[in-house]
Amino acid sequence: QMQLVESGGGVVQPGRSLRLSCAASGFTFDIYGMHWVRQAPGKGLEWVAVISYDGTNEKYADSVKGRFTISRDNSKNTLHLQMNSLRVDDTAVYYCAKDWRIRGIGLMDYWGQGTRVTVSS
Amino acid sequence: AIQMTQSPASLSASVGDRVTITCRASQGIRNDLSWYQQKPGTAPKLLIYAASSLQSGVPSRFSVSGFGTDITLTISSLQPEDFATYYCLQDHNYPLTFGGGTKVDIK
Repeated sequence: QMQLVESGGGVVQPGRSLRLSCAASGFTFDIYGMHWVRQAPGKGLEWVAVISYDGTNEKYADSVKGRFTISRDNSKNTLHLQMNSLRVDDTAVYYCAKDWRIRGIGLMDYWGQGTRVTVSS
Repeated sequence: AIQMTQSPASLSASVGDRVTITCRASQGIRNDLSWYQQKPGTAPKLLIYAASSLQSGVPSRFSVSGFGTDITLTISSLQPEDFATYYCLQDHNYPLTFGGGTKVDIK
């Protein structure tokens, strides 16, 4: 069945970098856009970034633009989020999520269980 | 960015109650709105997309009304498994934006 498994979270100091990964299985990865969405402790959902099925189109939330980079490796069915210049307010559970439409970058229909990132000195 | 204002932030209800949650967009979003349900410690689950289309397996007690800027999610008869937090999401423009969430708990 469809599965998204995030990894790479942990505790990191402000200003440092972290790279998240999301391993996809159970669906044809290279025909779907993919998203990252985060949720700070006790807070609501915040969309972070999306990448098109072929990696040619990326969009970012203003809060992470210029610091985070989304990428994908379709040969390995893997999504990444490179997070640089991390700030305390980047602390959250980070979810990867599959776009609902073939070759689309709209809403998300299936989510992984998330990986926790804590930015603290 | 389009702002999504969701109300109420929380509500208490009993099994069998009719529950309504509203999302108001800062500009027209046609029917580019979806609804998610999240239970504590778990990932969100897509309930409804394109404003009113139920995701596979979602019971028909969930429905949506409205178009443009004010869209309402209704649960016609609340069931024990419906106690959760609900979020709306607009995908009319990037950046995508969520409503602040509505926590539905047991009265």
